[in-house]
Order: sequence, then C-alpha cells, then structure tokens
Amino acid sequence: GAVVSQHPSWVICKSGTSVKIECRSLDFQATTMFWYRQFPKQSLMLMATSNEGSKATYEQGVEKDKFLINHASLTLSTLTVTSAHPEDSSFYICSARGLDWKPDTQYFGPGTRLTVL
Amino acid sequence: DQQVKQNSPSLSVQEGRISILNCDYTNSMFDYFLWYKKYPAEGPTFLISISSIKDKNEDGRFTVFLNKSAKHLSLHIVPSQPGDSAVYFCAASARNYGQNFVFGPGTRLSVLP
Repeated sequence: GAVVSQHPSWVICKSGTSVKIECRSLDFQATTMFWYRQFPKQSLMLMATSNEGSKATYEQGVEKDKFLINHASLTLSTLTVTSAHPEDSSFYICSARGLDWKPDTQYFGPGTRLTVL
Repeated sequence: DQQVKQNSPSLSVQEGRISILNCDYTNSMFDYFLWYKKYPAEGPTFLISISSIKDKNEDGRFTVFLNKSAKHLSLHIVPSQPGDSAVYFCAASARNYGQNFVFGPGTRLSVLP
C-alpha cells in the first residue's frame, strides 16, 4: 500500500514555542490531506482538511490561527502549532488521499506525539 | 454527541477463538463503513470496509456485518491470533459529507496465547 510519513515522530517543546510537523506522501500525489489529533483513550478527531494549493478547512472548534496548515505541494503538508501550551499535548496524525481515491485508499501517517512542558 | 460509538473499550479473547468487535452509529446518512487497526505509536491501517448496499463483507479471517436498521456493525476475527492484539477503530463516512471519516473511540483487543 501507499506510504505516508510524518516527521518528527516525537517532539517535546516549552510552552509558548511553535512546533512544525511534516506529513509526506511518499509514492503518490496527495490531493487532499487531513490532520487528526488523538487524546489518550479517545478517538481520532478531525482538525482540518487541506487541498493542495488552497487554504485548509478547519473543523468547528479548531483555532486556525493556532494550528497553521500549509499544503504547498502534492506530497507535503505541514501543521504548525503556534504558541503551544500543555493542553496542546496530543498525538497528531495526518492522512492523505489521491485524486482517484476510494474510502479504503486513504492512508495514515504514523503520528507525531507532541508534549508541551 | 458521538456519531460513532464503540461501547467496549477493551476485549480479551483466547487465541484461536472468535473476536467480535461492535460499533453503533447514529447518523443515517453514513453509507460507508471501515475498520482500522492501530498499534501503539503508529497510524491506523485499513483492515476491511463495507458499503451500505451490502450486509456482509469477508476478507480472510476478517468479516464485517452491517445491520442498517439497527445502525450497527460488527467485525469478526476468526481464528484470533496474538498478532491481532491492537486497537480497532470503526469509522463511517457519507457521500454527502465529502467522505470525511468519523471515527469511533476504539476497542483494544488483547488475544491471549
């Protein structure tokens, strides 16, 4: 199957700093990428959807100025958590699909664990 | 309001026996359902799916059953193997909602040798 990578896999930062997480599709062109977050023992919650070359669409309750998403190319999307605080500590997972996707061909990255001290 | 529910947070099964994971949904607009398997510190991987026009889909040891009238689906794994131990997420999507996935909270399956 297709591969989606994330970098870094784990990051610890101080409160007030910004953190950038990269999501790459390695062997297909990702026309749409999704960003999820998962709190312990909870489900994956969709944060935002981004289409290549256009602005991301954020889910209700997600602050777009805090979680900056850039999908500048067909293989790369980035999520920047600005002025991170301890409550932003979570597991962030990206997902990608190509132009000819089917529901069972949406691929997930391995996730990035963010810990804000 | 949870649109996709997995009421059992955990399940333990003996190796070789059947594992049955349940999922309920509330939104009648959902028309496609998927099961994902997730190991710790990894992203979910697709396992099996079913369209609302079917009531059963089988792939090797994995079978998904859909009961639309009850808004209920289940994943059967038989025989269960220790390598099946993971968290299983049920997800639903709707053509009218841009096919975005709504995930359940997951069920942690432990298959005991």
